[in-house]
Amino acid sequence: QVQLQESGPGLVKPSETLSLTCTVSGGSISSYYWSWIRQPPGKGLKWIGYIYYTGTTNYNPSLKSRVTISVDSSKNQFSLNLSSVTAADTAVYYCARHSSETTWFDPWGQGTLVTVSS
Amino acid sequence: DIQMTQSPSSLSASVGDRVTITCQASQDIGNYLNWYQQKPGKAPKLLIYDASNLETGVPSRFSGSGSGTDFTFTISSLQPEDIATYYCQHYDNLPYTFGQGTNLEIK
Repeated sequence: QVQLQESGPGLVKPSETLSLTCTVSGGSISSYYWSWIRQPPGKGLKWIGYIYYTGTTNYNPSLKSRVTISVDSSKNQFSLNLSSVTAADTAVYYCARHSSETTWFDPWGQGTLVTVSS
Repeated sequence: DIQMTQSPSSLSASVGDRVTITCQASQDIGNYLNWYQQKPGKAPKLLIYDASNLETGVPSRFSGSGSGTDFTFTISSLQPEDIATYYCQHYDNLPYTFGQGTNLEIK
């Protein structure tokens, strides 16, 4: 059974870059799409972007200028970089798998809270 | 972006009640709609995919219907463990977007 686990700093300073990694266990990163989704405290869900195992990416236009998602198949990991963060980027960040570009997210990681504060 | 509008935003019901949540898309999305359950402090969990298909292992009291722009999520008999926030999500095109969520409480 595939499991996803997010990791990275829980506190990032304003204007700096938020960096998170999602480690996939119990299955291969190959042949799937991998997304990042975030949820500000007490608010709803927002899709950030995805990467296909080949390295093809697609980002939410509202974040595109600041987002980079990359994959390291040798480590069964994919990563999120979000630059020039502000307090508005404070959120729980989830990674999730989907089997194609047009499908559902399942499974999800447990999520990691990232707070942007000086 | 396709806007997903859920109603109600919050709902209070009694154990055993039939509960219905609606989700309206700002344009035709066919049946490209999913429903998730999120309990406090946990990640969302897929319940329904392709508008009406029950994910494996999900109790049969959960169901979904609809197509085009109007969708419905139903719990046939509310159980205490169903207390959660429920989200719809489309995947017709990018960017994927979610409804604002429906917070379900026990009366």
